[in-house]
Amino acid sequence: NAGVMQNPRHLVRRRGQEARLRCSPMKGHSHVYWYRQLPEEGLKFMVYLQKENIIDESGMPKERFSAEFPKEGPSILRIQQVVRGDSAAYFCASSPHQGNTEAFFGQGTRLTVV
Amino acid sequence: KNEVEQSPQNLTAQEGEFITINCSYSVGISALHWLQQHPGGGIVSLFMLSSGKKKHGRLIATINIQEKHSSLHITASHPRDSAVYICAVVRSQGNLIFGKGTKLSVKP
Repeated sequence: NAGVMQNPRHLVRRRGQEARLRCSPMKGHSHVYWYRQLPEEGLKFMVYLQKENIIDESGMPKERFSAEFPKEGPSILRIQQVVRGDSAAYFCASSPHQGNTEAFFGQGTRLTVV
Repeated sequence: KNEVEQSPQNLTAQEGEFITINCSYSVGISALHWLQQHPGGGIVSLFMLSSGKKKHGRLIATINIQEKHSSLHITASHPRDSAVYICAVVRSQGNLIFGKGTKLSVKP
């Protein structure tokens, strides 16, 4: 029973390129949360998705960022036209149902924008 | 003011010392996590608490719901305990609000 899988672990993008971060939740989990950890800062909630639905995107920047969790396949966090300030570690966590208090994290994707 | 406050921000201890990290929060929660993060590494939940006290090996976590306060204790600290410890509270939808973390360094 694999844990939460994120890929890639490290991603380097030039300014203006697109970054796609993937998160495969644990088996049986249909709820995914994305968090961002900026250098020298704490983790911040970005978006909460359930299969095919965005439940809460209040923590996600309004522009350039989008997230999806299709019926089949991993959840994708997409950052268009990346800027240096997007450099951070992006973590996802999954749970089997809404409001579940357990927290299972992936290893994170470390995005560096050069 | 942050919704979740941790103290201290940095902590250096000698091997064998007893360590306490504190967390206060100002929002309604359904549970609280103590998380551990090693440099460049992932995040692991050490404890999830909604009341009382939990113990796992040398680690003890307590929570006082009325006072909105939790503590993480490490007994007989060891250099391998060096990591960042993060307090995170669980909101009603299941998303987490995090403290800024406590960077612990245990010297041999």
